[in-house]
Amino acid sequence: GENVEQHPSTLSVQEGDSAVIKCTYSDSASNYFPWYKQELGKGPQLIIDIRSNVGEKKDQRIAVTLNKTAKHFSLHITETQPEDSAVYFCAASWSDYKLSFGAGTTVTVRA
Amino acid sequence: ETGVTQSPTHLIKTRGQQVTLRCSSQSGHNTVSWYQQALGQGPQFIFQYYREEENGRGNFPPRFSGLQFPNYSSELNVNALELDDSALYLCASSSGTGGSPDGGYTFGSGTRLTVV
Repeated sequence: GENVEQHPSTLSVQEGDSAVIKCTYSDSASNYFPWYKQELGKGPQLIIDIRSNVGEKKDQRIAVTLNKTAKHFSLHITETQPEDSAVYFCAASWSDYKLSFGAGTTVTVRA
Repeated sequence: ETGVTQSPTHLIKTRGQQVTLRCSSQSGHNTVSWYQQALGQGPQFIFQYYREEENGRGNFPPRFSGLQFPNYSSELNVNALELDDSALYLCASSSGTGGSPDGGYTFGSGTRLTVV
């Protein structure tokens, strides 16, 4: 089955700086790569996703890049704000019915 | 448009008991997936329901079972509870089957189950 590894496990950044989270996946058939943000006491919230026919996608301060050859994808958050503090999960899926999640990255934005 | 709602929000059960968790899918979504999230870990896929039938299953024993109703809401049942079943149980709805649905998956806030 699909195995997703996520790094780092914790990330502390100064407000205004950028944050980068990296994930690798094992199944070359995977074609859908969403990123979720989970705040304390809440369920994961989809923040951005990318499909395998696209190399990069941006939405305001958030961007995701995908390298299918190397089987890795990354989340970039620019101009971080205190409300960006949360746990972020990457996930991968192919044409079956499930998402395989990474272990999560706890992001802390220092004011 | 309403999101995914789950009930109850918290639950404490004794080892060996049975539990039923409930989920109402987002308006317009016809598929429901269940995930188990242990503390400090990523969610793990339990199973998915589409058109009231199990559409796929993760690596969970048969004592984890589910139902989907004609209005697309769903239940997760766990029999013979074990201490390791303590976790946050998440329901996610989507439109259509497949792992990459248009619009992605919408998760509820989960049910925190504690087994003592």
